[in-house]
Amino acid sequence: DGGITQSPKYLFRKEGQNVTLSCEQNLNHDAMYWYRQDPGQGLRLIYYSQIVNDFQKGDIAEGYSVSREKKESFPLTVTSAQKNPTAFYLCASKTGGAMDYGYTFGSGTRLTVV
Amino acid sequence: GQQVMQIPQYQHVQEGEDFTTYCNSSTTLSNIQWYKQRPGGHPVFLIQLVKSGEVKKQKRLTFQFGEAKKNSSLHITATQTTDVGTYFCAGRAAGNKLTFGGGTRVLVKP
Repeated sequence: DGGITQSPKYLFRKEGQNVTLSCEQNLNHDAMYWYRQDPGQGLRLIYYSQIVNDFQKGDIAEGYSVSREKKESFPLTVTSAQKNPTAFYLCASKTGGAMDYGYTFGSGTRLTVV
Repeated sequence: GQQVMQIPQYQHVQEGEDFTTYCNSSTTLSNIQWYKQRPGGHPVFLIQLVKSGEVKKQKRLTFQFGEAKKNSSLHITATQTTDVGTYFCAGRAAGNKLTFGGGTRVLVKP
């Protein structure tokens, strides 16, 4: 079955460490997105990519970095510069083109700083 | 920048009752999408509305897009325990990113 796989499901990070969250999709979608969700809050856009080898900052990109070397993969690195990284991170994708479609989300990664 | 507000933030509903959640945008939208997130889960796409005044139904859920394309509503009839979760609207202004509202968290009392 096609879908988006995020790993790991839970991640613990020590202060000062960089960590990378994985996001892989086999939906052949062009566009991929990273969102952050804090408890009881909505989704805030971190980074997005509409084609391979290209990505743009979202609303809260500071302290994060991404790459898009393959269509299927869009990993997110949470750097030590991110002062409050504990959150639920969601990866999403959608097909490209002029028409707009709903996003397909992965099951998320819960990151906790210890 | 574009802002999308949802009210209420919390909705406590008696099982079997109806309720409505509202979504308001600071700018005119080209389309609006609705998602449902079950507790501990991830958002799942429900529907997209594009036309002014559009109304779409999915079983007990009725979605409406305002005439001015700046607001939307989700009405659920005969609420069931399976309706528990957070409902998000997400609006896109022409050429812009999709902006999510803060969500309405629905709790159902059996």
